[in-house]
Amino acid sequence: EPEVTQTPSHQVTQMGQEVILRCVPISNHLYFYWYRQILGQKVEFLVSFYNNEISEKSEIFDDQFSVERPDGSNFTLKIRSTKLEDSAMYFCASSDRPPGFFGQGTRLTVV
Amino acid sequence: KNEVEQSPQNLTAQEGEFITINCSYSVGISALHWLQQHPGGGIVSLFMLSSGKKKHGRLIATINIQEKHSSLHITASHPRDSAVYICAVSGGGSNYKLTFGKGTLLTVNP
Repeated sequence: EPEVTQTPSHQVTQMGQEVILRCVPISNHLYFYWYRQILGQKVEFLVSFYNNEISEKSEIFDDQFSVERPDGSNFTLKIRSTKLEDSAMYFCASSDRPPGFFGQGTRLTVV
Repeated sequence: KNEVEQSPQNLTAQEGEFITINCSYSVGISALHWLQQHPGGGIVSLFMLSSGKKKHGRLIATINIQEKHSSLHITASHPRDSAVYICAVSGGGSNYKLTFGKGTLLTVNP
């Protein structure tokens, strides 16, 4: 069965550093998403990406964040100058129709 | 903006019991989704509903569009059903982004 792959599974970073979270979506999917889940809280939408551009973003997705599809297969989320409150599980999802397939997540810990 | 509410937040059951988890939302949707999240975090889609009822094994999901309410039932619960069950809605259009509820932590004891 096709799956969405995320790397790394866990990343620890120093506050103020930049991190790049990587996702390999399912190959024939056209819609890509990043979601975030802070420990103990609900999953929140960050951004959706279609046709090589952002189609929607939440108020959380400010200038600190960016997304790219650099090579036609990977889908990345970059977080510049990480803050303690960026510590969360980040999920990538891809779909050709709802609800999409989720990756296993990257747990980001900012220290 | 859609608000998605789930109840209960926590549910403990004995093996074999019939489980019901409820979800309500505030604004019309194109579809409602039930998802499962195991310890360690991975999310798996269980159902997508736009009307009526769906069944998969011991899991049954129903939706009442007029009342903006859905239920997830688990028959003959088993300890391996222990997980967080999450209700999420998609609002329509071509953007399939999801708005999530807080989830229900289900623990099934042997």
